[in-house]
Amino acid sequence: QVQLVQSGAEVKKPGASVKVSCKASGYTFTAYYIHWVRQAPGQGLEWMGRINPNSGATDFAQKFQGTLTMTGDTSIRTVYMELSRLRSDDAAVYFCARGVSTGTTDSWGQGTLVTVSS
Amino acid sequence: DIQMTQSPSSLSASVGDRVTITCRASQSISTYLNWYQQKPGRAPKFLIYAVSTLQRGVPSRFSGSGSGTDFTLTISSLQPEDFATYYCQQSYSFPLTFGGGTKVEIK
Repeated sequence: QVQLVQSGAEVKKPGASVKVSCKASGYTFTAYYIHWVRQAPGQGLEWMGRINPNSGATDFAQKFQGTLTMTGDTSIRTVYMELSRLRSDDAAVYFCARGVSTGTTDSWGQGTLVTVSS
Repeated sequence: DIQMTQSPSSLSASVGDRVTITCRASQSISTYLNWYQQKPGRAPKFLIYAVSTLQRGVPSRFSGSGSGTDFTLTISSLQPEDFATYYCQQSYSFPLTFGGGTKVEIK
């Protein structure tokens, strides 16, 4: 079955960067986009961007332009989300999710908690 | 960006109740509307896409309707496992945006 497994929790200082991985299994990795969505504590869902694992092409929400990087490694069926210049309001659970059609996601990773604290 | 507004933000209901959640888009999104269910500490679960098509395995007590700017999610007979937060999401244009969520609590 489709499965997305994310890397573990991170604690970072303000101004640092964090890199979260998402390893896919159970489907043709290069055939589907991977989206990243985050959720601040007690808040709703915020779409960050997506990556085409086959081409490496990315689309990002405007607010993350300049601080967000997404990359993929097809040999190990893994995509990475890196957020730089972390601020306290970047503290959130970060989810990866498989895109099954434009803008629709079906399977999600378990989430990765990122804490930003000095 | 397209703004998605859900109402109510929370509701209390009993097992067996019929529950309706409303989602409004700030502009027409045709039928590019999805619904997700999220339980505490868990990832969102994909329920419905294209307004009314149930994802495989989703019980038939869930249904969706609407088009353009106004949409609803209905649970015909609330079950104990349905107590959760529900989010609508537009897939019409990027950036993808979600509603603020509706928390369904036990009365």
